[in-house]
Amino acid sequence: DVKVTQSSRYLVKRTGEKVFLECVQDMDHENMFWYRQDPGLGLRLIYFSYDVKMKEKGDIPEGYSVSREKKERFSLILESASTNQTSMYLCASRTQGLGQPQHFGDGTRLSIL
Amino acid sequence: KNQVEQSPQSLIILEGKNCTLQCNYTVSPFSNLRWYKQDTGRGPVSLTIMTFSENTKSNGRYTATLDADTKQSSLHITASQLSDSASYICVVSRRVNNNAGNMLTFGGGTRLMVKP
Repeated sequence: DVKVTQSSRYLVKRTGEKVFLECVQDMDHENMFWYRQDPGLGLRLIYFSYDVKMKEKGDIPEGYSVSREKKERFSLILESASTNQTSMYLCASRTQGLGQPQHFGDGTRLSIL
Repeated sequence: KNQVEQSPQSLIILEGKNCTLQCNYTVSPFSNLRWYKQDTGRGPVSLTIMTFSENTKSNGRYTATLDADTKQSSLHITASQLSDSASYICVVSRRVNNNAGNMLTFGGGTRLMVKP
């Protein structure tokens, strides 16, 4: 089974801090994704990566950056955390190919105080 | 605008009863539609995928339908169990000319609660 592991289930940080969310997948997937999930809004794509060191902006990239130095690891960075970034963050990975599903981690619930 | 609307937002049923969840979309060009189940505190897990040519597909007690003409899908759950309590998310994939090959649009989900 595919396993996508997010480093923290719960995280509390302060406004202005630099925050790192880590995600690791064990299936050699080419594509990796970061989403945030808010009540009533569904999942929204922040960034995705289709290969090592490659990244593309999703629908809501403002205030975030990403890093993919190794194929199995995709990091989301909040450069200067703000209260409106309090949310559930979900990482996903997928192999190339039409119709392949995304496999999700269990999420990191991030609170910015 | 690419959108996916789900109804109802929430639903409570008794154990053993059937229910149907709805998904309407305006995503174009359509590639496929997938239903995910998300248990509380967990990430979404794929239940089934529907392509343009498929009308119905079953996965155990879950049956998904797709009407590509009206851009509607449904997820029918038969003989519900307590473990079916979860959010069900409809996700529509569209083809795009970028390195991902396709992009997903997520519905807001239907929160189902099955009571004993």
